Amino acid sequence: EPEVTQTPSHQVTQMGQEVILRCVPISNHLYFYWYRQILGQKVEFLVSFYNNEISEKSEIFDDQFSVERPDGSNFTLKIRSTKLEDSAMYFCATTDRLGGELFFGEGSRLTVL
Amino acid sequence: AQSVTQPDIHITVSEGASLELRCNYSYGATPYLFWYVQSPGQGLQLLLKYFSGDTLVQGIKGFEAEFKRSQSSFNLRKPSVHWSDAAEYFCAVGGPTGTASKLTFGTGTRLQVTL
Repeated sequence: EPEVTQTPSHQVTQMGQEVILRCVPISNHLYFYWYRQILGQKVEFLVSFYNNEISEKSEIFDDQFSVERPDGSNFTLKIRSTKLEDSAMYFCATTDRLGGELFFGEGSRLTVL
Repeated sequence: AQSVTQPDIHITVSEGASLELRCNYSYGATPYLFWYVQSPGQGLQLLLKYFSGDTLVQGIKGFEAEFKRSQSSFNLRKPSVHWSDAAEYFCAVGGPTGTASKLTFGTGTRLQVTL
C-alpha cells in the first residue's frame, strides 16, 4: 500500500538552530499538508500547499516556518530558528484531490533543547 | 470557527465489550467528519468518514459512526472491542470540498483495553 514517508523520525536540536523536516508524498498526490501535535495536545493544522504555493496557513505558521517542494518529490517544512515551544510531533499529510482522504505519515518528533 | 469536543480523555473497556467514543462538533455548514486512530509512535490512520448520505457510516476494523445533526455529534462505536484496539482516537471536522482536507481535530480519547 502506498504511504507517506517522513524523515527524520526524531530530531533533537538546540534552540535557535534551523531544522528541516522532509516528507515524500504518495506519488500521484498533489495536495500537501503539515500538521503539528504538541505532546498531550490535539493535532493542529499548520499549512496546506498546492501547485508550488501555500494555499492556506494557520496562525501558528509564522515567519519562522516555510515550506517548499525543492525537487518535485520531497515536501519540506523548515523552521528557521527553533524555539522550545516548537517541540512537537510534525505530521505530513497528502491527498490526490481536495476533499479526498488525507494520508498521514508516521510523523517527525522534534525536540528543542 | 469550527471546533471538535471529545469529552472523554481516557476510557477503559474489557475485551469483548462494546465501545462508544463521543464526539461533538461545531461547524457553520454541513460538516465533513472523520475518525482517526493513532497507535503509539505511529501516524494517523483513517477509520471512517462522513461527507453526506447515510448517517450511519461503516469503517475499517469493525468500527462505525453515526452522524446526528440535531445533536451535532458523530460518535464512534464498536460492538466488540479487541485488545489491539487500544490506541488514541481522534475525531476531526472539515469543510466542503475546498477545505475538507484542512481538518480541526479534537483532543483525542485514549482507549485502554483490559483482558
